[in-house]
Amino acid sequence: GQSLEQPSEVTAVEGAIVQINCTYQTSGFYGLSWYQQHDGGAPTFLSYNALDGLEETGRFSSFLSRSDSYGYLLLQELQMKDSASYFCAVPPSGNTPLVFGKGTRLSVIA
Amino acid sequence: DVKVTQSSRYLVKRTGEKVFLECVQDMDHENMFWYRQDPGLGLRLIYFSYDVKMKEKGDIPEGYSVSREKKERFSLILESASTNQTSMYLCASSGGADTQYFGPGTRLTVL
Repeated sequence: GQSLEQPSEVTAVEGAIVQINCTYQTSGFYGLSWYQQHDGGAPTFLSYNALDGLEETGRFSSFLSRSDSYGYLLLQELQMKDSASYFCAVPPSGNTPLVFGKGTRLSVIA
Repeated sequence: DVKVTQSSRYLVKRTGEKVFLECVQDMDHENMFWYRQDPGLGLRLIYFSYDVKMKEKGDIPEGYSVSREKKERFSLILESASTNQTSMYLCASSGGADTQYFGPGTRLTVL
């Protein structure tokens, strides 16, 4: 079967750094994606890692280790607007739907 | 700018009614998907389609059917709505394996 594990909730202080981890167990692997979803909104694409290493996009970075079946999303200089749910997702093959984790709810507090 | 639209943001139906949820994308994507999202359960795939007239069952297809007569349009049908189908329904499209673009969602309540 396919499974992705991520923490259900994380709380962090405004201005701080937070890391959201994702471990996966899937029949195949083409890369690791991250999506953000604000309450009442639709998921929006944040990043995709096909290769090992760190990808940086502004305040957000995403990391992948294929040998460890593990990745994380790193959010720096947290802002209140970063309060949202974050989902990791894996395409088991080049032409199968994404498998999503259950999501991590991030609360940023003052 | 990429766009996926869904016919309604909010919908209230009665048990036993036939319900149609429409999704349209303007990105010429081959792939389209229907999910439902419930608290604590994440996104669960109902059906998907990789081409016109083509459909594949996802993880929870029971009680649902789909139609894809045109490339840009993917419809989800609840043949006889039940209260346990009260949920947020999300449509998505993609051109490849890495990125999906989601519509705003339809919050369906079945009474």
